[in-house]
Amino acid sequence: AQRVTQPEKLLSVFKGAPVELKCNYSYSGSPELFWYVQYSRQRLQLLLRHISRESIKGFTADLNKGETSFHLKKPFAQEEDSAMYYCALSEDSGGYQKVTFGIGTKLQVIP
Amino acid sequence: GAGVSQSPRYKVAKRGQDVALRCDPISGHVSLFWYQQALGQGPEFLTYFQNEAQLDKSGLPSDRFFAERPEGSVSTLKIQRTQQEDSAVYLCASSLEPQQPQHFGDGTRLSIL
Repeated sequence: AQRVTQPEKLLSVFKGAPVELKCNYSYSGSPELFWYVQYSRQRLQLLLRHISRESIKGFTADLNKGETSFHLKKPFAQEEDSAMYYCALSEDSGGYQKVTFGIGTKLQVIP
Repeated sequence: GAGVSQSPRYKVAKRGQDVALRCDPISGHVSLFWYQQALGQGPEFLTYFQNEAQLDKSGLPSDRFFAERPEGSVSTLKIQRTQQEDSAVYLCASSLEPQQPQHFGDGTRLSIL
């Protein structure tokens, strides 16, 4: 069975400091990984997906198949980055994407 | 509206009552998903619809949970004889096509007393 592990429930960093939100996964096939974000009083939204290989709001994430990791990084944290971040993995279940989420990490950026 | 709409936003019910939660997906979206998010956890998959067909209900926790999407647009998640462990946020998501990223609604927060 696929599994997504986010080891930190809470991560506090100072504004301007680098951020790394950890995510490890277990999956026997070829995974597709995502990061979702939920800002205060807003709905869950897609931040980035590994196949896009793009940077969104300064965040990047690299899929490391050897370490089965998909850590989310940003060089300089901003106050507006404070939110819940969920790592997710999807598998092709006969033509649709079935998504498994981690428990989430709350990022708190201290002014 | 342009997004996924869920109603009600909050629902309080007594144990043993039946509840119905509604999801209005983005117009034209083929795929619709329901998730359950318990306090302090990530969303967990419940069921998947492609148009009106329920193709996967492997995540439904018991036969008290039932979902439908009769005309391939609006979906309803029904929980019969609610129990306290059913208390959670129920999220609905839709995608234009099955392989596309999912767009989430605000969720319904269900509290069972």
